[in-house]
Amino acid sequence: NAGVTQTPKFRILKIGQSMTLQCTQDMNHNYMYWYRQDPGMGLKLIYYSVGAGITDKGEVPNGYNVSRSTTEDFPLRLELAAPSQTSVYFCASSYSPGTAFTGNTIYFGEGSWLTVV
Amino acid sequence: AQKITQTQPGMFVQEKEAVTLDCTYDTSDQSYGLFWYKQPSSGEMIFLIYQGSYDEQNATEGRYSLNFQKARKSANLVISASQLGDSAMYFCAIVLTGTASKLTFGTGTRLQVTL
Repeated sequence: NAGVTQTPKFRILKIGQSMTLQCTQDMNHNYMYWYRQDPGMGLKLIYYSVGAGITDKGEVPNGYNVSRSTTEDFPLRLELAAPSQTSVYFCASSYSPGTAFTGNTIYFGEGSWLTVV
Repeated sequence: AQKITQTQPGMFVQEKEAVTLDCTYDTSDQSYGLFWYKQPSSGEMIFLIYQGSYDEQNATEGRYSLNFQKARKSANLVISASQLGDSAMYFCAIVLTGTASKLTFGTGTRLQVTL
C-alpha cells in the first residue's frame, strides 16, 4: 500500500541552491497539500491543490512554488534555498468529502528532512 | 481565521495510567472537524481520532477518546491505560468544512510515559 510517497527523505542544500521535493499519491485524491514543520512546532500549510491544474497559497508560501499537472503528483520547488527553510516537509492528500467528512481521510507522507547550510 | 491552542508543552504519565492532553480551538464557523495526530520520534504523522462539530457523541478509537465540549471550544484527548509506545508528540488540528480540508495545527504536547 503506497499511499503518499515523498522523496527525498533527507537532503542538505547550500544557500542559494534549488531543489524539488517530490510527492505522489496513488489514491486518486483530488486534494493535496504541502506542510512544513519547524523544530518544536506544529505543521504549517505552504501550498495546496484541489485538483490538477489548480494550486493556491497556504499560510507560509514565500520561497516556494508548486505545480499540479496530474492528479497523482504535487512537487514542491525551492528556488533559492535559505537557512529559514530548514525544516521537515510533509506532503498530504485527501479525497473530496463534499458535505460529509470523516477523520481518517487525510493521508500524510513520511516527511522530508531538509537542511540548508 | 481558526486557531488551535495546546497549552501543555510536555506531560508525564505512568504506564497504565490515563492522561488527558488539552486542546482548545477558536473559530467562528459552525461546521468543522477536530483531529488528533501522534508523531513518534521517527517523524511520521499518525491519525488517532476525529470529532465533527455536529457529532453529538464523543469520539472513541480503542484507548483514545475525545472529550468534546463545544460550548467551551475544547477537544481534549484522553489516552487510557498508557503504554511506553505512547511516548510521542501529540498534535490537535482543526479543519473547516468546505475549505479544501486544510488543517490548522496546534504546537503540540510531548508525552512521556514512564515505568
